[in-house]
Amino acid sequence: KQEVTQIPAALSVPEGENLVLNCSFTDSAIYNLQWFRQDPGKGLTSLLLIQSSQREQTSGRLNASLDKSSGRSTLYIAASQPGDSATYLCAVIDYNTDKLIFGTGTRLQVFP
Amino acid sequence: GAGVSQSPRYKVAKRGQDVALRCDPISGHVSLFWYQQALGQGPEFLTYFQNEAQLDKSGLPSDRFFAERPEGSVSTLKIQRTQQEDSAVYLCASSVTSGGANEQFFGPGTRLTVL
Repeated sequence: KQEVTQIPAALSVPEGENLVLNCSFTDSAIYNLQWFRQDPGKGLTSLLLIQSSQREQTSGRLNASLDKSSGRSTLYIAASQPGDSATYLCAVIDYNTDKLIFGTGTRLQVFP
Repeated sequence: GAGVSQSPRYKVAKRGQDVALRCDPISGHVSLFWYQQALGQGPEFLTYFQNEAQLDKSGLPSDRFFAERPEGSVSTLKIQRTQQEDSAVYLCASSVTSGGANEQFFGPGTRLTVL
């Protein structure tokens, strides 16, 4: 059974720092990996989608890498801003299903 | 519409009541998913539709939970005889077609509180 773990569970940093959020999964047979952002009381906003054949994806200050063989992904946030404060969730799609399997998230707070 | 919409956004039910949660996917999206998110946890899969066919309902926690998508667009998640443990945010997502390579787009969720 696929399990997804995110470390750290919570992170509080001053504005301007570069951040790394970690995601690991137990079964490397995945279709893709998706990073989401969730603001309090809101739904999920997709940030980056990495196909299983890809190594990384970039969008603005965000960069996500995928090492399928070791079961790891990292989300790199450059020059963090208070507006980045949210919970970040990673999720994988198993090779034989279409459903997303989520980690429990990293709650990020960026203070001015 | 421009995105996935869900209604109601908030629902308070007394224990034992039946509730119905609605999801309007992005127009033309073939696949539709329901997830349940407990407080402080990541979302967990409930069920999956491809058009009107319910292909996977392995995540439904009990036979009190029922989902349908009769015309392959709007979907309804029904919970009968609600219990306190049903309190959660129910998220709906859609993707353009079937196949695990496709990005899923989420609605804002319905926050269900069972008293």
